Amino acid sequence: NAGVTQTPKFRVLKTGQSMTLLCAQDMNHEYMYWYRQDPGMGLRLIHYSVGEGTTAKGEVPDGYNVSRLKKQNFLLGLESAAPSQTSVYFCASKVLAGVGLADTQYFGPGTRLTVL
Amino acid sequence: GENVEQHPSTLSVQEGDSAVIKCTYSDSASNYFPWYKQELGKRPQLIIDIRSNVGEKKDQRIAVTLNKTAKHFSLHITETQPEDSAVYFCAASRVLFSSGSARQLTFGSGTQLTVLP
Repeated sequence: NAGVTQTPKFRVLKTGQSMTLLCAQDMNHEYMYWYRQDPGMGLRLIHYSVGEGTTAKGEVPDGYNVSRLKKQNFLLGLESAAPSQTSVYFCASKVLAGVGLADTQYFGPGTRLTVL
Repeated sequence: GENVEQHPSTLSVQEGDSAVIKCTYSDSASNYFPWYKQELGKRPQLIIDIRSNVGEKKDQRIAVTLNKTAKHFSLHITETQPEDSAVYFCAASRVLFSSGSARQLTFGSGTQLTVLP
């Protein structure tokens, strides 16, 4: 199993450009998450999905859109990139389980995005 | 929403000494507290977790304690080794009731642990 993978690993954008980050998992996990990591601020949740075709906003959703057309993929889109979106983006996934069971989130390797 | 504070932001210890990292949380509904280790340029990886019905959990050189009343939890690493050097994140989590067993993790700001040989 590859686990959680992310594409691309690095990207440089100019202000106003758009791009899509792809997260894929082969663990048949129901839940998927997008986080951003900035120095001194830990990881903050952007959007999440509890199943195919469903998405919801997290802590910092502004400027991002997401889609979950297939269970194994979770896409993060930036329609008009801004320098404030320079960050490292991590995707994570979690198995569907009863409350109190199997709560571990598994992270992808990250995408380093720079917006000039 | 949940707020997690983590201290210290940096910690240096001599090899073989113990290291302690502390976190506080604000939402009394949080009931799951994982700790992640992130090496430079790598992804966060779970090292230990604890649920609110347990006060302490240990896994070899790593232990976590939880005080629900005071809303704080701590990571203890004994007999530290150079390979323990990394950034450690605490997190607090509650179930998103409208979404079944989905959980939202709120992370602390991280502690850079350096183990000096």
